Amino acid sequence: EAQVTQNPRYLITVTGKKLTVTCSQNMNHEYMSWYRQDPGLGLRQIYYSMNVEVTDKGDVPEGYKVSRKEKRNFPLILESPSPNQTSLYFCASSLRGVDGYTFGSGTRLTVV
Amino acid sequence: GENVEQHPSTLSVQEGDSAVIKCTYSDSASNYFPWYKQELGKRPQLIIDIRSNVGEKKDQRIAVTLNKTAKHFSLHITETQPEDSAVYFCAASKRGTGRRALTFGSGTRLQVQP
Repeated sequence: EAQVTQNPRYLITVTGKKLTVTCSQNMNHEYMSWYRQDPGLGLRQIYYSMNVEVTDKGDVPEGYKVSRKEKRNFPLILESPSPNQTSLYFCASSLRGVDGYTFGSGTRLTVV
Repeated sequence: GENVEQHPSTLSVQEGDSAVIKCTYSDSASNYFPWYKQELGKRPQLIIDIRSNVGEKKDQRIAVTLNKTAKHFSLHITETQPEDSAVYFCAASKRGTGRRALTFGSGTRLQVQP
């Protein structure tokens, strides 16, 4: 089944404790992207990747890191999480970046 | 960069009525306009999309229209059903700009009253 898999689905952590949210797709998509969703703000792009080893900032990159060492994986790293990073995070992938994106199930992160 | 505005933020209709959600975009070079539906607690899912070389597209009860001159596009849902209740997002993108591959509107919460 074609899908984008995110883990974990739920995560509660403390301020400053590094964490990684994993994302994997099995559709051989070139484009992958991370979004955060906050009430009233819609979906805001954090980082995106056009292919292996090619990443760039989206609209709200501060406090986040990404890597794209393999085509299928695009982890999101929070080196020192803060409470303002409490949000619902979605990974998404697209074949060419300007067509339909497939979203993962989301990761609800709470930083206390 | 691209800016997408979406209205209304909430919409309540009676079952069987039509619902219309409107979006405007700022970048005249944008050429791809998808719509996503997000049910409560679930991921956004693509329901329909339109490219700039087409003015209208239909899929059963859902249709999207695009006015390139005015830089706005709309989602039309006819004969609404309770299962249409969700948050709907419009988005815009243009070829060759991976950074802003998709810029989303802020969403419309549609409530269909039985």
